[in-house]
Amino acid sequence: DGGITQSPKYLFRKEGQNVTLSCEQNLNHDAMYWYRQDPGQGLRLIYYSQIVNDFQKGDIAEGYSVSREKKESFPLTVTSAQKNPTAFYLCASSHPPLGGSYEQYFGPGTRLTVT
Amino acid sequence: AQSVSQHNHHVILSEAASLELGCNYSYGGTVNLFWYVQYPGQHLQLLLKYFSGDPLVKGIKGFEAEFIKSKFSFNLRKPSVQWSDTAEYFCAVNAWRGSTLGRLYFGRGTQLTVWP
Repeated sequence: DGGITQSPKYLFRKEGQNVTLSCEQNLNHDAMYWYRQDPGQGLRLIYYSQIVNDFQKGDIAEGYSVSREKKESFPLTVTSAQKNPTAFYLCASSHPPLGGSYEQYFGPGTRLTVT
Repeated sequence: AQSVSQHNHHVILSEAASLELGCNYSYGGTVNLFWYVQYPGQHLQLLLKYFSGDPLVKGIKGFEAEFIKSKFSFNLRKPSVQWSDTAEYFCAVNAWRGSTLGRLYFGRGTQLTVWP
């Protein structure tokens, strides 16, 4: 079954701790993305990677870090420097644009609560 | 940077009513346009997309959208909504700059509630 998996579904952490969210895809997509979803704010791009060992900051990268050591994996670390980390985090992937095709496929998300 | 505006934040309808959700974007060049839907407790999934050709595109579950280039709009429509259409709807845009396709920009979303 092809798709994107994110684990865990719910995550609770104490303030001041770093936490890493997992994202794995078996769609053989080159590009992967992390978004943050907050009520009324839509999806905001945190980081994206178009190829292994390369990634770029999105609109709200401060307080987050990523790595892309394998094509199928794109973990996101929420560091203690992130001022408001409680949110719903979505991972997505896509093929690079070939002939105009560029839709993104989304995982089920991880809801992070930091207290 | 591009921006995507969804003017309706929360729409409440009765079953069988017609639906139109507005989406406007700010980029003047060649664009790809998408509507995504997030049903309660489910993954964000693609509803429909426009890349080129016929500006009226049809998607899943009876939804359609019309690309009007002169108005920078890509409004979503459905002639008769059902209770099961209750969800959050997101418009998204990316733009071609020469031969390079930029990243996707999302609107803030519209929550649709359909009463049975």
